[in-house]
Amino acid sequence: EVQLLDSGGGLVQPGGSLRLSCVASGFIFSSYGMSWVRQAPGKGLERVSGISDSGGNTYYADSVKGRFTISRDNSKNTLYLQMNSLRAEDTAVYYCARKDYNYYYFDYWGQGTLVTVSS
Amino acid sequence: EIVLTQSPATLSVSPGERATLSCRASQSVSSNLAWYQQKPGQAPRLLIYGASTRATDIPARFSGSGSGTEFTLTISSLQSEDFAVYHCQQYNKWPPLFGQGTKLEIK
Repeated sequence: EVQLLDSGGGLVQPGGSLRLSCVASGFIFSSYGMSWVRQAPGKGLERVSGISDSGGNTYYADSVKGRFTISRDNSKNTLYLQMNSLRAEDTAVYYCARKDYNYYYFDYWGQGTLVTVSS
Repeated sequence: EIVLTQSPATLSVSPGERATLSCRASQSVSSNLAWYQQKPGQAPRLLIYGASTRATDIPARFSGSGSGTEFTLTISSLQSEDFAVYHCQQYNKWPPLFGQGTKLEIK
């Protein structure tokens, strides 16, 4: 059974940092691209970052470019999102999601972790 | 970038009735469209990909249709567990963006 377990969210002040983690199980982690998708309160879904299966290619939405860094450790089946210079508008539930093997839709999702940026 | 517009924003339907949700793309996405269901407090779940292929373990009452710029998600006979928010997402062109969602509520 495919499982994605997100963690690392919390309350942080503007300008602060957090690192999110997503531990994967039930599939060959190193064979799949992964993404972080967020959802601000009452809003739609926004893909903020993605990484290829090997980690060699990464993507960032303009809203987080230069502040967020995605990475993965295939030996630990874990995906990360380092978030720096956090802003109030980064407040959201963050989901890790597995990209389909061939196409860019998301076939499995973590349960989400809440990030709140507030003073 | 391709913009997806979902309509209506909110749809009120009685249990047992049919629900029809729409997703319109600002340019053709061929059949590269997915639908997700999201219940309150839960993560999205993949329902449909390739515009019309049901994902694993998705009941047959869910069906997707369309190609190009016009897509429809139909739920043939609404069950209580189907009341949720539904998101469409295109993956034909970079970046793979989502629509704003349709909330399906009990009438």
